[in-house]
Amino acid sequence: DAGVTQSPTHLIKTRGQQVTLRCSPKSGHDTVSWYQQALGQGPQFIFQYYEEEERQRGNFPDRFSGHQFPNYSSELNVNALLLGDSALYLCASSSWSGFYGYTFGSGTRLTVV
Amino acid sequence: KQEVTQIPAALSVPEGENLVLNCSFTDSAIYNLQWFRQDPGKGLTSLLLIQSSQREQTSGRLNASLDKSSGRSTLYIAASQPGDSATYLCAVKEHNYGQNFVFGPGTRLSVLP
Repeated sequence: DAGVTQSPTHLIKTRGQQVTLRCSPKSGHDTVSWYQQALGQGPQFIFQYYEEEERQRGNFPDRFSGHQFPNYSSELNVNALLLGDSALYLCASSSWSGFYGYTFGSGTRLTVV
Repeated sequence: KQEVTQIPAALSVPEGENLVLNCSFTDSAIYNLQWFRQDPGKGLTSLLLIQSSQREQTSGRLNASLDKSSGRSTLYIAASQPGDSATYLCAVKEHNYGQNFVFGPGTRLSVLP
């Protein structure tokens, strides 16, 4: 049973560019969240998608946007990249209630130069 | 606003020692608490999930306790091994919906052979 799959694993972008990260949730999960983890810090919640709608959002600017598809997979888009956007981006999936816990992907390492 | 802290920030122990990692949270109205392991540059692996109505959970050499009223959780690792070396993160979920975890900064553990 595949867990959460994220692509790509590594990415280097130039300041000002746009980037799209992808996530396929674990089989049976319908809710996807995205987190940003800067070096040496805990992950910070960006937003969460359920039924193809953004349901919750953390304290991130509008440059961060997302989408969920009918098959529950999700994309994270970041526009006008800043050097400070360099981080590990993690995707997590679960059922809506999350009662049985969450599964995280291995992440996408984004470097902005 | 929920805040999660972890003590110590880093810990180095010889193989075979029993150890305790601490997690504190400021708002006791949580839905559940989860302990994760993160290897360098990798995603998160769920270790133990404690619902708000539970006091502890055990898995192999790991035992996690939860004291909601005092806003504390501990992760006990018995007979530590070099393979336990990783960063350990605790995260609280405040609602019975969504996936908005609030993470602590983590404890970086090194177990020396």
